[in-house]
Amino acid sequence: GNSVTQMEGPVTLSEEAFLTINCTYTATGYPSLFWYVQYPGEGLQLLLKATKADDKGSNKGFEATYRKETTSFHLEKGSVQVSDSAVYFCARGGLTFGTGTRLTIIP
Amino acid sequence: DVKVTQSSRYLVKRTGEKVFLECVQDMDHENMFWYRQDPGLGLRLIYFSYDVKMKEKGDIPEGYSVSREKKERFSLILESASTNQTSMYLCASRGSGRAEADTQYFGPGTRLTVL
Repeated sequence: GNSVTQMEGPVTLSEEAFLTINCTYTATGYPSLFWYVQYPGEGLQLLLKATKADDKGSNKGFEATYRKETTSFHLEKGSVQVSDSAVYFCARGGLTFGTGTRLTIIP
Repeated sequence: DVKVTQSSRYLVKRTGEKVFLECVQDMDHENMFWYRQDPGLGLRLIYFSYDVKMKEKGDIPEGYSVSREKKERFSLILESASTNQTSMYLCASRGSGRAEADTQYFGPGTRLTVL
């Protein structure tokens, strides 16, 4: 079946560090790929998405590129802030989510 | 902006009680979903609905049922709550137009504790 595997957390970084959260997906079909973010006490909200191979999604300084050859959609940010502390979910198509990666940024 | 609301943020129930979780969306979306979120397991799909009075089982439907009498409202029902249903429940909706590209819009969640 369809699945998403993402980097296990928790991840703790210092402010202004470079962030990568890995995500790979099963290659059946040509799904849209998403990153959602969940801030403390809230539901998930869309962070970025890509709908076809080689597309790059970006938002709030975060980026992810749809890599068909490696079936990956890794999330990156060049310089994280304390306000980026949250749980990040990679998702494949409409219904399949990864287990989430908790990110904590320390000042 | 799409708004998805859930009837309660926190709920405490006793084992064996019947529990209703309500979800309402204001964007005329065809598709609605119920997930539960547990540490280390991520989001797991319980049920979804692609139209009024239509429902489909997700990955973990056992112990749950749903109701969709109106397009904007999707209810999750725990017929007889058990302690292993203590969890965070998330509702989501999604349109069917091309521009939506499968994006889901989530409510704030209901944290249910079953004692």
